[in-house]
Amino acid sequence: KQEVTQIPAALSVPEGENLVLNCSFTDSAIYNLQWFRQDPGKGLTSLLLIQSSQREQTSGRLNASLDKSSGRSTLYIAASQPGDSATYLCAVELNTGNQFYFGTGTSLTVIP
Amino acid sequence: DAGVIQSPRHEVTEMGQEVTLRCKPISGHNSLFWYRQTMMRGLELLIYFNNNVPIDDSGMPEDRFSAKMPNASFSTLKIQPSEPRDSAVYFCASRWGIGSQYFGPGTRLLVL
Repeated sequence: KQEVTQIPAALSVPEGENLVLNCSFTDSAIYNLQWFRQDPGKGLTSLLLIQSSQREQTSGRLNASLDKSSGRSTLYIAASQPGDSATYLCAVELNTGNQFYFGTGTSLTVIP
Repeated sequence: DAGVIQSPRHEVTEMGQEVTLRCKPISGHNSLFWYRQTMMRGLELLIYFNNNVPIDDSGMPEDRFSAKMPNASFSTLKIQPSEPRDSAVYFCASRWGIGSQYFGPGTRLLVL
């Protein structure tokens, strides 16, 4: 069974810092990997989707990379802002299609 | 588009009662997913539909849980009878093809 791990579980940084969130998975036979953010009491908001044939995706201050062979993905957030405070989750979809496994998330706090 | 719509947003019920959760996916999306989120187990996929047909319900915890999708714009998740351990946040998500998943706001269920 696919296992998805996110380290650290919690992270606190001062505003303006660049930071990296990590996601690792045990089965490299994935179809894609998606990063989400979840605000307290809310649903998940899609941030970036990386297909297995891609190595990275960028959206604004966010950059996600994927290394299938090592079973790792990183989410890079540039110039962090207090509004970035949320829980960030990664999810992998197996290449059998429509089988999703989520990590337990990294809770990010950006201190003004 | 209004996004994925879920109702009710909050549900408090007594053990043994039937609970029905509802979901309206984004128009045009052909896959629908039901998830459950708890502190202990994180986010778990319960069941997904493709073109209104249930494809994999291996994540459904037991026979007390059932899900239907009578048409492309509506799905239900039913728990009968409910138990305190079913207390969780239930999310519905939808997507088109192999694109990003879009989540609803969730239904927070408390079974007393």
